[in-house]
Amino acid sequence: DGGITQSPKYLFRKEGQNVTLSCEQNLNHDAMYWYRQDPGQGLRLIYYSQIVNDFQKGDIAEGYSVSREKKESFPLTVTSAQKNPTAFYLCASSTGSGGQKHGYTFGSGTRLTVV
Amino acid sequence: GENVEQHPSTLSVQEGDSAVIKCTYSDSASNYFPWYKQELGKGPQLIIDIRSNVGEKKDQRIAVTLNKTAKHFSLHITETQPEDSAVYFCAATFGRAGSYQLTFGKGTKLSVIP
Repeated sequence: DGGITQSPKYLFRKEGQNVTLSCEQNLNHDAMYWYRQDPGQGLRLIYYSQIVNDFQKGDIAEGYSVSREKKESFPLTVTSAQKNPTAFYLCASSTGSGGQKHGYTFGSGTRLTVV
Repeated sequence: GENVEQHPSTLSVQEGDSAVIKCTYSDSASNYFPWYKQELGKGPQLIIDIRSNVGEKKDQRIAVTLNKTAKHFSLHITETQPEDSAVYFCAATFGRAGSYQLTFGKGTKLSVIP
């Protein structure tokens, strides 16, 4: 079955640490996205990538970094520069038309907590 | 860029009643409008979508209407059930050829009271 997989489901980070969230899709989608969701809040775009080896900052990119070396993978690193990283992180993918044809497919999310 | 306003932010209905969530968008070039349902601790799931050449679309108890002139679209859920309780997000496309994205509303938390 095609889908998008995020791991881990839960992640704990100590102050000053970098952590990387995994996102893998086997839908053959060209575009991938990272969103942050805080309790009771909407979806805020962190980074997106429309093709391999290219990515763009979203609305809240500070303190985050990404890479897109393979079409299937779009890992997100939460750096120590992100002062309030505790949140629910969602990865999504879409066809090259940016979601116009069938919308986005979302992963099941990673809940990151700073301890 | 595109702006999508969603109302209400919370909505409580009695089981069996109808629920309506409304969204407005700013970019007249938007042509695709999906709705997502997010259950607690999970990722959003597409439940229904509509394109700009259609005024209404139904799928069992769920329907979406689109008014292009007024730039608003709505989600209608009839005969609500407790399992309909979730957060619902509307979205609209924005951008130009080769660089489209979805812009999401801030979500509506729907509670269906048994």
